[in-house]
Amino acid sequence: NAGVTQTPKFQVLKTGQSMTLQCAQDMNHNSMYWYRQDPGMGLRLIYYSASEGTTDKGEVPNGYNVSRLNKREFSLRLESAAPSQTSVYFCASNRGTGLGSNQPQHFGDGTRLSIL
Amino acid sequence: DAKTTQPPSMDCAEGRAANLPCNHSTISGNEYVYWYRQIHSQGPQYIIHGLKNNETNEMASLIITEDRKSSTLILPHATLRDTAVYYCIVRALMYSGGGADGLTFGKGTHLIIQP
Repeated sequence: NAGVTQTPKFQVLKTGQSMTLQCAQDMNHNSMYWYRQDPGMGLRLIYYSASEGTTDKGEVPNGYNVSRLNKREFSLRLESAAPSQTSVYFCASNRGTGLGSNQPQHFGDGTRLSIL
Repeated sequence: DAKTTQPPSMDCAEGRAANLPCNHSTISGNEYVYWYRQIHSQGPQYIIHGLKNNETNEMASLIITEDRKSSTLILPHATLRDTAVYYCIVRALMYSGGGADGLTFGKGTHLIIQP
């Protein structure tokens, strides 16, 4: 099984450019998440989607937008990239529907994004 | 979610049991203890989770103290491939609403398995 697939794996952007990071899961999971990880730090939640058609802000949502395209896909968009958004971005999913779920999250291998 | 405290790094000899401690003294009754690990350049990998009973799966064992204020992750026969950053995370089962439904990662413990 592929699990959680993220594309692209690497990307370099110039300040002010826009870009969409793609995430797809094949486990029929309800909830999906976007995190960012800066050097030497733990992951921080950007946005999440408890079910198809719903999205909610996490700890660090500023500068990002998301779309839950369908149950499988959850994309993260940077409208006007800034150097502070240089990071590794991880997508995750789990079987639960957000509230009341203790199901573990399954992560993709990340997108390494550099903003010059 | 309750805060966790982990040592920044630990060494363990290959083939021995690796015991990773985690303190979560402010844990509340409905909070689970989760363990994830992150091998360099990869996404975090789920290991195990528990509420109050000890748990075991094919990867590891989780020992939670009776007062639930601390726990230990045990990798029974560590291999070089177990070198990774290990994260202990405490997370409530139910949210009262309005909070972000995600995992709060600290800096974890960098476990180095020595040959």
